[in-house]
Amino acid sequence: EAGVAQSPRYKIIEKRQSVAFWCNPISGHATLYWYQQILGQGPKLLIQFQNNGVVDDSQLPKDRFSAERLKGVDSTLKIQPAKLEDSAVYLCASSSLESPLHFGNGTRLTVT
Amino acid sequence: GNSVTQMEGPVTLSEEAFLTINCTYTATGYPSLFWYVQYPGEGLQLLLKATKADDKGSNKGFEATYRKETTSFHLEKGSVQVSDSAVYFCALHMNTGFQKLVFGTGTRLLVSP
Repeated sequence: EAGVAQSPRYKIIEKRQSVAFWCNPISGHATLYWYQQILGQGPKLLIQFQNNGVVDDSQLPKDRFSAERLKGVDSTLKIQPAKLEDSAVYLCASSSLESPLHFGNGTRLTVT
Repeated sequence: GNSVTQMEGPVTLSEEAFLTINCTYTATGYPSLFWYVQYPGEGLQLLLKATKADDKGSNKGFEATYRKETTSFHLEKGSVQVSDSAVYFCALHMNTGFQKLVFGTGTRLLVSP
């Protein structure tokens, strides 16, 4: 089966600019996650979708981060405006009732 | 809240050495426990898991046993290879509701020939 697809792989922006990341989960996986992985730390859950509804966004900085999964398949995560501390790898993952989380290769964001 | 604590790295070993990476957890209830591995430039891959006390997860020569009495899930391998060099993450999720993984900070393993 095809894995979780993410794009772009790398992105460099200046602070206060905007950026968007895209994720296409494994076909049939109802649950989609966005994690933030800062260098030297473990991944931290930003938001979790079940189909097109939000299950958990308690750690999403909602003043600057937004995410959507309009048709219950692919998803976008946006940061506007970006801060230096947003530099991290943004990981998308998906799962179903029968399978554990499968992760994409991530998008490495550098904010200068 | 629920949390995972891992030993700090890097762990540096010679090929064929024995590996232990310690992991302990704090949880209200009885979580499922996981080890994920992250090779350079790649996403996380599930290495092994255990869903209840005394279960042993194993894969690719790695093993970990769910110890409720010590709230631990230490990762072990009898003979490491250079190709095992990666970052290893211990994680848990509660067996209620939707899957939501809580990760440790990761332990980098460096294996030299």
